[in-house]
Amino acid sequence: AQKITQTQPGMFVQEKEAVTLDCTYDTSDPSYGLFWYKQPSSGEMIFLIYQGSYDQQNATEGRYSLNFQKARKSANLVISASQLGDSAMYFCAMREPAAGNKLTFGGGTRVLVKP
Amino acid sequence: NAGVTQTPKFRVLKTGQSMTLLCAQDMNHEYMYWYRQDPGMGLRLIHYSVGEGTTAKGEVPDGYNVSRLKKQNFLLGLESAAPSQTSVYFCASKRDTSYQETQYFGPGTRLLVL
Repeated sequence: AQKITQTQPGMFVQEKEAVTLDCTYDTSDPSYGLFWYKQPSSGEMIFLIYQGSYDQQNATEGRYSLNFQKARKSANLVISASQLGDSAMYFCAMREPAAGNKLTFGGGTRVLVKP
Repeated sequence: NAGVTQTPKFRVLKTGQSMTLLCAQDMNHEYMYWYRQDPGMGLRLIHYSVGEGTTAKGEVPDGYNVSRLKKQNFLLGLESAAPSQTSVYFCASKRDTSYQETQYFGPGTRLLVL
């Protein structure tokens, strides 16, 4: 069973507008962490934001915020005021206690920011 | 402070050849990981290590072996390369078990098996 699902393979967004990237997850463990990474065309994986399962507030990091809805098992990434440099692949990932704290990744969403 | 480095950056192999990918980190991290990324997909865990001298299988370990003889290095070996192993390989490291800490990724190794 897929543990991390990103249903949007690709999205266009106008520069300066906000965009929401969807991520749903599946786990039976009460303790877990959710991460978002950005992968530009150069290929490196860039950490954006983290949300812990016990965190009461939604995480924010600059223009990135995470809309965490625990009951619905969703952890959507919101990018505000999109910039051309935000064009990239975005991956949602989940960490569970087992297997050395490994990350399980979703299939990714490609974002293209239009000027 | 170089972070996580990977050698080589790119390699072409013929089916049946062997090779070793080297991952090195200078952050004194305990945990190290090898992932592969196929076109249009997220990363999948091949093997991981929770400390020097330890290794364990991940999600897709078949056809790969690993060794962690030194804390700072994590080697990924392909004994007999197959076209299905054409992929981009990422190494990552993590300091400890703290939940909120991210894994730090290397720049990737692009492998083409003909």
